Order: sequence, then C-alpha cells, then structure tokens
Amino acid sequence: QKEVEQNSGPLSVPEGAIASLNCTYSDRGSQSFFWYRQYSGKSPELIMFIYSNGDKEDGRFTAQLNKASQYVSLLIRDSQPSDSATYLCAVNLDNYGQNFVFGPGTRLSVLP
Amino acid sequence: GAGVSQSPRYKVAKRGQDVALRCDPISGHVSLFWYQQALGQGPEFLTYFQNEAQLDKSGLPSDRFFAERPEGSVSTLKIQRTQQEDSAVYLCASSLGDRKAFFGQGTRLTVV
Repeated sequence: QKEVEQNSGPLSVPEGAIASLNCTYSDRGSQSFFWYRQYSGKSPELIMFIYSNGDKEDGRFTAQLNKASQYVSLLIRDSQPSDSATYLCAVNLDNYGQNFVFGPGTRLSVLP
Repeated sequence: GAGVSQSPRYKVAKRGQDVALRCDPISGHVSLFWYQQALGQGPEFLTYFQNEAQLDKSGLPSDRFFAERPEGSVSTLKIQRTQQEDSAVYLCASSLGDRKAFFGQGTRLTVV
C-alpha cells in the first residue's frame, strides 16, 4: 500500500519567516517527488520537483529529499501572505509510472 | 489551449443519474490523468492514459466509473447511477510524459 503522509496543519508562520513543510512516504521504491500548491477552491499547481537526494532550490523554495529516511520537505523562505495555501506532497513510484500518490496536504497560513 | 480545460465546472446530479465529465488536455500532452478529491483531502488517483491507451485504471472505485480517450486528446469520465459518495471534485491533469503534471480547474460534482 503506497502511503504519503503530511501533517494537516494548519501551520501558522509570521510574514518573513521560514515555513517548513514535511512529508514522509512508505514505498521505498519511490523515485520522484513533487510539491503542489493548492489555493482554496482552485486546482493544484506544481511548484517544485526533486529526484535526487539533497537539496534543490528555486527562488524562495527549497525541496529537500532523504531517500534513506523516506522523507521530503519544502522550505519557503521569506514567507508572504500570498503563500497561504494547502501544500500537497506527491510521490511517483518509478521513473516511468505515472501514478502519483498524493498526501492529504498541509494547510499553511502566513500571518501579516 | 493554454491550459487543461474541464467542463462543466459544476454539476448537480440526482442520485441514480448518469454524468459525463470532459477534459481537454494541453495540446501535445500524451499523458492524461483523472483524480478524485474529497473536501479536505489530497487528490486520489483514478486512471491514466498514454495517448488513447488506458494504461492504469486501478483507482476507479467501482464499475460505475468509466473513462475514455478515443483519439488521444479529449477524455471523458463517465459515472453511471451516481451515488452520494461520488460527490467530490474531479480533477484532470496532463503532462508531456516527463512526470510534471498540470491540472485543470476541476469539476465539482454534487449528488443529491
């Protein structure tokens, strides 16, 4: 059974702080990992993906992957109120499969 | 089109009615996915197409659910004899096959 777990939140951080979002997955064969942002009533929007152990940075966002610990995280630096949304972690089992397994999402609230 | 287009945006169906949900993927995207998202939950995989071939339908919850993509472009998700537990947002996503999926706005189905 493939499972992806996230704290549902809400996670509240003050404006300008670093928001840290965490995700664990059960299938050790998972190969690729994605972070989606979903505003209320809107569709998920891809913001980051990572395939290799370590860190990947894109602007204010950093994804961190540790396959040994089956753990992936998303850091948002200089958090803005516009970052307030639900962040979904998605995991893909192998390099050719297309079945993304999503976590339940973490609701982030950035307080002005 | 510029993005994934889904129609209708909202559908209210009486219990027992059949419904058909349409997805227009991004032009040239070979991969197409259907997901079901209940309120407050992450998207749950339903089915996946590569061009016109339905390669994975393991997530379809019952034989009342049927999906097709006859010409490898537009896809239709059909739900027969709708039940109240079918109420959810149905999301369609497409990708070039590089595992970066782009979602449509979804169809919110309410079964009364």
